[in-house]
Amino acid sequence: VIWMTQSPSLLSASTGDRVTISCRMSQGISSYLAWYQQKPGKAPELLIYAASTLQSGVPSRFSGSGSGTDFTLTISCLQSEDFATYYCQQYYSFPWTFGQGTKVEIK
Amino acid sequence: QITLKESGPTLVKPTQTLTLTCTFSGFSLSTSGVGVGWIRQPPGKALEWLALIYWNDDKRYSPSLKSRLTITKDTSKNQVVLTMTNMDPVDTATYYCAHILHDYGLDYWGQGTLVTVSS
Repeated sequence: VIWMTQSPSLLSASTGDRVTISCRMSQGISSYLAWYQQKPGKAPELLIYAASTLQSGVPSRFSGSGSGTDFTLTISCLQSEDFATYYCQQYYSFPWTFGQGTKVEIK
Repeated sequence: QITLKESGPTLVKPTQTLTLTCTFSGFSLSTSGVGVGWIRQPPGKALEWLALIYWNDDKRYSPSLKSRLTITKDTSKNQVVLTMTNMDPVDTATYYCAHILHDYGLDYWGQGTLVTVSS
């Protein structure tokens, strides 16, 4: 099983801030990593796959980087609609696993 | 346009078997590289991957739940069914199904269905 450490669990930020969320793997996963955004009462939505490829329709202020064991999601200029919970997920090997989530809240 | 929708009971009793159906449109589960997965989320907690099935009938399960899960597909009906035996209150969660395409992650999700386990 590949264990994931996602940090921070809670991030307080203001509109316009640049924020970064980290995801660290217990072993290398190449670039088989996805990032999801989830708003309260809604299903998760795919933001980024293959560690750095933006899903169609996702604003360019979102970006992903990393490979191997260390990955980062960056929101370059936080907008009001970005306050949500973010999850990383590896699909390199089974069982697929998710991070514990990062809640981005208004400061 | 790809859509998925979960259906099944909202309330089950402990020890009962849960059967959930994912009905989808906009893609075929006979197309190479395509799959459907199930994920759940207990109230206020993180996402947990449960199982998936690929176009070629390859099936994968979470090791911690493997003895309780069965996933099947009906390509003609555009449905994927997940059964979970011996339900327990800790299995109370929103259950989601999602579309999988090769190396693109879980790119389309259903709205989810909340299943409560209680006597």
